[in-house]
Amino acid sequence: GAGVSQSPSNKVTEKGKDVELRCDPISGHTALYWYRQRLGQGLEFLIYFQGNSAPDKSGLPSDRFSAERTGESVSTLTIQRTQQEDSAVYLCASSPPRGGRVSYEQYFGPGTRLTVT
Amino acid sequence: GQQVMQIPQYQHVQEGEDFTTYCNSSTTLSNIQWYKQRPGGHPVFLIQLVKSGEVKKQKRLTFQFGEAKKNSSLHITATQTTDVGTYFCAGPTTDSWGKLQFGAGTQVVVTP
Repeated sequence: GAGVSQSPSNKVTEKGKDVELRCDPISGHTALYWYRQRLGQGLEFLIYFQGNSAPDKSGLPSDRFSAERTGESVSTLTIQRTQQEDSAVYLCASSPPRGGRVSYEQYFGPGTRLTVT
Repeated sequence: GQQVMQIPQYQHVQEGEDFTTYCNSSTTLSNIQWYKQRPGGHPVFLIQLVKSGEVKKQKRLTFQFGEAKKNSSLHITATQTTDVGTYFCAGPTTDSWGKLQFGAGTQVVVTP
């Protein structure tokens, strides 16, 4: 079946502009995550959506970052007034429904490479 | 706060050799997951360990979960060039079962 898809694959923007990054999770996956990965670095958690619960925004680095999710489908990560330090690959992942206190594997999309000039 | 640490950060291996990379958590984990990210690619789920002392094998890869469920290891035998990449371990965070805390990864370079 189809995996997690993200668009655009690459985005070059000027400092100060707003950008929107899109994620289409695997159908039926209730959990959706956004991560940031700077060059040569690990995964930095940004935000987590689980079903209809309030999202966990604890990883968002500033109020310039926001994300929305429509039901259990598409999610959009928005970065306002982009800065050069926002340059990174933004990865989206989804995870199947979980029962009880169990963690399930995350399926990652190919990422969006954002370059702020 | 909760920390997941991986050592070494870099691993240079001669093709054909064995090596082990380690993952240590500051807290007891209900389970641990391993992911592999090839250069230029995205992380791909490899395996999940749940039981204390659990050992799982995938071909040349052997994964182990410590008895105290605070550490894990990945052992690769007869390393091949296809093993190149960064290996991440991850465990559920203390504040949310659905969220994972990733280690910084071990970057593996294989010399032919």
